[in-house]
Amino acid sequence: DQQVKQNSPSLSVQEGRISILNCDYTNSMFDYFLWYKKYPAEGPTFLISISSIKDKNEDGRFTVFLNKSAKHLSLHIVPSQPGDSAVYFCAASKGGGADGLTFGKGTHLIIQP
Amino acid sequence: DAGVTQSPTHLIKTRGQQVTLRCSPKSGHDTVSWYQQALGQGPQFIFQYYEEEERQRGNFPDRFSGHQFPNYSSELNVNALLLGDSALYLCASTGGALYNEQFFGPGTRLTVL
Repeated sequence: DQQVKQNSPSLSVQEGRISILNCDYTNSMFDYFLWYKKYPAEGPTFLISISSIKDKNEDGRFTVFLNKSAKHLSLHIVPSQPGDSAVYFCAASKGGGADGLTFGKGTHLIIQP
Repeated sequence: DAGVTQSPTHLIKTRGQQVTLRCSPKSGHDTVSWYQQALGQGPQFIFQYYEEEERQRGNFPDRFSGHQFPNYSSELNVNALLLGDSALYLCASTGGALYNEQFFGPGTRLTVL
């Protein structure tokens, strides 16, 4: 049973436009959510996180929104750049970002020139 | 400042054999987690080590075991290898000021024939 779901395996966005990546979760015990970015042959790299006591966190071009009632979070990238092309993983934990993380299957974001 | 390092990069084993993978955490980090990433899937949490003890464990059989050394480096051991153990094994470390962020290594690609 997948507790963290990323229903879009891939997403294509034009350079300069907004990229929106979505993630749903089923476990109400999750209280911390993270987004990781992964290039081929590299480990995942932390992007941004949000605690369940917040509904928005912003860091430069990246914003994460959390809707607890819908058990849904999204990552917005504005503006999208060619270097953003990568696989993005949504992850969740029950005790902060240092605990064992539950990951989604990932969304492959492709930025078109 | 070296990040998380893992060895070896690639490994080929046959069914029934045993394998040991190694991880050195990022400088200043004292907690090490291991993840298994099968093809087309997100990373799955195996276990986490802190102060040389297994602190958390995911849903993996006892064939998967680990160790953490006094210098915080860690090993993942897998006994009685199955074809389904073929995956990318990722090590992540955390600790210090950025305790809510896990830093991942590039992984070890294990192929079981």
